[in-house]
Amino acid sequence: GPKVLQIPSHQIIDMGQMVTLNCDPVSNHLYFYWYKQILGQQMEFLVNFYNGKVMEKSKLFKDQFSVERPDGSYFTLKIQPTALEDSAVYFCASSPDRGPITLYFGAGTRLSVL
Amino acid sequence: GDSVTQKEGLVTLTEGLPVMLNCTYQTIYSNAFLFWYVHYLNESPRLLLKSSTDNKRTEHQGFHATLHKSSSSFHLQKSSAQLSDSALYYCALSDNNNAPRFGAGTKLSVKP
Repeated sequence: GPKVLQIPSHQIIDMGQMVTLNCDPVSNHLYFYWYKQILGQQMEFLVNFYNGKVMEKSKLFKDQFSVERPDGSYFTLKIQPTALEDSAVYFCASSPDRGPITLYFGAGTRLSVL
Repeated sequence: GDSVTQKEGLVTLTEGLPVMLNCTYQTIYSNAFLFWYVHYLNESPRLLLKSSTDNKRTEHQGFHATLHKSSSSFHLQKSSAQLSDSALYYCALSDNNNAPRFGAGTKLSVKP
């Protein structure tokens, strides 16, 4: 089936540094999402992105977070600066349309903030 | 806001026995859709089932679920568990415009 690729699979950084998580969504999909899952907890919605704009975000999407997809390349999540509580697995997803929204997930990037 | 409840964190079954994973939800939207996603170890979560109309059963890969708006439920069932069904199962809720929100997940462990 359609694949969403996430690069890297694991990233370790020091607190306060910037990190960029990369996602290569399914090629003809238009809607992009990031979810955050802290170890042992549920997958929480962060942000939904469409047509170059943030369409919806949760309270977990702090001011230190930003998303973009420049010129149809990777869909990225940038955290600047990182904090210890940002340690989690970040899942990228894409969907071709809405109503209802069917998500196609990547395998996740495990972010460890030290 | 919307919420999804999966009460069982872990369900352990013997192969061949029936599976039932519970999912209830709260939403203000009348056109809400429910989903089951399955997450196998070292793979990406993927869609297993999505709801149809009220009281209509949907099936895929031996699993089935029926949306019951009267009880706000969308329980996942299978008549006979297989070892390969061992995975994390997430129930999720969405309307036409908002991103799906997930329950806490239920880990299904099927033993020989």
